[in-house]
Amino acid sequence: KNQVEQSPQSLIILEGKNCTLQCNYTVSPFSNLRWYKQDTGRGPVSLTIMTFSENTKSNGRYTATLDADTKQSSLHITASQLSDSASYICVVSAKGGSYIPTFGRGTSLIVHP
Amino acid sequence: NAGVTQTPKFQVLKTGQSMTLQCAQDMNHEYMSWYRQDPGMGLRLIHYSVGAGITDQGEVPNGYNVSRSTTEDFPLRLLSAAPSQTSVYFCASSYKKTGQTSYGYTFGSGTRLTVV
Repeated sequence: KNQVEQSPQSLIILEGKNCTLQCNYTVSPFSNLRWYKQDTGRGPVSLTIMTFSENTKSNGRYTATLDADTKQSSLHITASQLSDSASYICVVSAKGGSYIPTFGRGTSLIVHP
Repeated sequence: NAGVTQTPKFQVLKTGQSMTLQCAQDMNHEYMSWYRQDPGMGLRLIHYSVGAGITDQGEVPNGYNVSRSTTEDFPLRLLSAAPSQTSVYFCASSYKKTGQTSYGYTFGSGTRLTVV
């Protein structure tokens, strides 16, 4: 069964600090991995998308890495801001005819001033 | 562009009532889907559509119906609401798959449904 596990479940950091969120998956055969940011009361918004051949992708202060061999991804947030407080969701899609991506449960990040 | 528009934003239903959650997109996306999000759980796929006239079931389809008569609209119908359907519902759309890679999804802002 395809699974996506995220850790930690929740994280509290001080404004200005860096943090790293983890995503491990068992989805096979792998097609792509996306990270989404979901603010409270809003729909998820795409941060990055990576395919098998990509191992790093940045979007401003967000940098995602992918190790397709170990089936792990991380999302690094640099110089955190209060607006980074949100849930971060890892989503992995498989190759083939299935249109059903596998969602992680998300990491809840709180940035304190 | 409005993106993905969901209505209503909030709804309270009594057990046994039926209703339709509306979803419309103006990006000419072929693929549309409905998810529900419950506390402590990831987004779960209810139904999806790969184009007008084509729909299929996701992980948790029971109690829900969909139709796709146009590219723009993908309504979700609750046939007989139950308290277990209390959740936040998200509609999402994307361009069709190109090769083996899907484009990223655009999500609506959600409908918060309470069934009492």
